[in-house]
This record gives sequence, structure tokens and C-alpha cells, in this order.
Amino acid sequence: AQTVTQSQPEMSVQEAETVTLSCTYDTSENNYYLFWYKQPPSRQMILVIRQEAYKQQNATENRFSVNFQKAAKSFSLKISDSQLGDTAMYFCAFIASNTGKLIFGQGTTLQVKP
Amino acid sequence: DAMVIQNPRYQVTQFGKPVTLSCSQTLNHNVMYWYQQKSSQAPKLLFHYYDKDFNNEADTPDNFQSRRPNTSFCFLDIRSPGLGDAAMYLCATSRDSVLGGQPQHFGDGTRLSIL
Repeated sequence: AQTVTQSQPEMSVQEAETVTLSCTYDTSENNYYLFWYKQPPSRQMILVIRQEAYKQQNATENRFSVNFQKAAKSFSLKISDSQLGDTAMYFCAFIASNTGKLIFGQGTTLQVKP
Repeated sequence: DAMVIQNPRYQVTQFGKPVTLSCSQTLNHNVMYWYQQKSSQAPKLLFHYYDKDFNNEADTPDNFQSRRPNTSFCFLDIRSPGLGDAAMYLCATSRDSVLGGQPQHFGDGTRLSIL
């Protein structure tokens, strides 16, 4: 079975500081994709960052970057220079190439404090 | 801007009274999904359409059905809502199959309350 685990239900960070959200996954597949989605309170879920498993280079999108450790099946999200607008629930998600089904982790609620 | 639009944002219905939620997209994506999301939980896939082909998740209750009359629109019908069906319902699209890792684009969701 393919699973995604986010072990931090809630986190907080001071504005302008850096925070890392953890995600691990379990799969026997070799070809898959990983995502971080952000869901602000009462607002739309949006894609933050995407990583292809066959790429060793960690994906980066402005202040957001990942630490992808394929052997350890770990996919953490680092948010640098945290902003108040980063307050949201963050979901780690996984797609195996042979299933097409997006599997979400339980989510981490991040609070950025002024 | 191209987008995924869900109407209404909030829907209240009575126990057992059929309700329909709608989703439209201007992205011209082939695949449309319906998710159920309960408070502080991950979204749960109910079903999806690849073009006109309907794909139901094994654990989706029979009470939930869907229609996709054309590329742009998709509807979620709940035939006899129970109190346990109160949730946020998310519509999402992807350009083609998610095989190949194409991201899904989500609407704002419809929050359904059952009286």
C-alpha cells in the first residue's frame, strides 16, 4: 500500500524565520511524483512545489524548497523568510505513475506569528 | 484567468433532501475530480472523470453520484444526504491523466451543511 505520513499536526514560526515541514512516504514504485499543496483557511488549495522522483536535484520555488531523500523516502518542505500569508494547512501528496491517484498526507497546520 | 469555479460556496440542505454541487473549469482539462474533505483532514477522493469515462472509488457510498455533461462542467449529486455528509467538497482538474505527475488544480470548495 502507498501511504504518506506527516508527523507534525501543528507548527508555528515567527515571521521572517525558516521552518521545515516533514513528510515521509511508503511505496514500492520507482517512478512517482511528490507535491506540497497549501490550503489557507477558507481558501483554495494551491500547488506549492512539485518533485519528480527520477530527478536528484531538489525542487525550488522562490522561498519554498524541498529536501528530497529518495532512499529514506523523505520529502520535507522548507519555507524561508516566513510571511503571514504562509499561514495555512500544508499537505504532502504522492502520485505513483502506475495508479494516477493522488494520495495525501494528514496535513500540517502552520501558523506564522508576527 | 483560467480557473476552477465551484458553486455555491456554501450550501445548506435538509437531512434526506437531494442536493447538487457544481463545478466548472476554463482550463480545458480532460480530468475532473471530486473530493470530500472533513474538518482538518486530508481530502478523500470520491470519483473522477477522464473525459467522459467515470471512475468511482471503491469506498464511495452509493449515495454519491456524478455527471459530466461536457468538458467544462461536472456535478456532484448527493441523493439522500445524511449528517455524516456534512463536509467541504472540492473539485479539481488536471490537464490529462495524473500519470506523468501533472498537478491538480482545485476550486475554492463548497461547504455543505445538513440540517
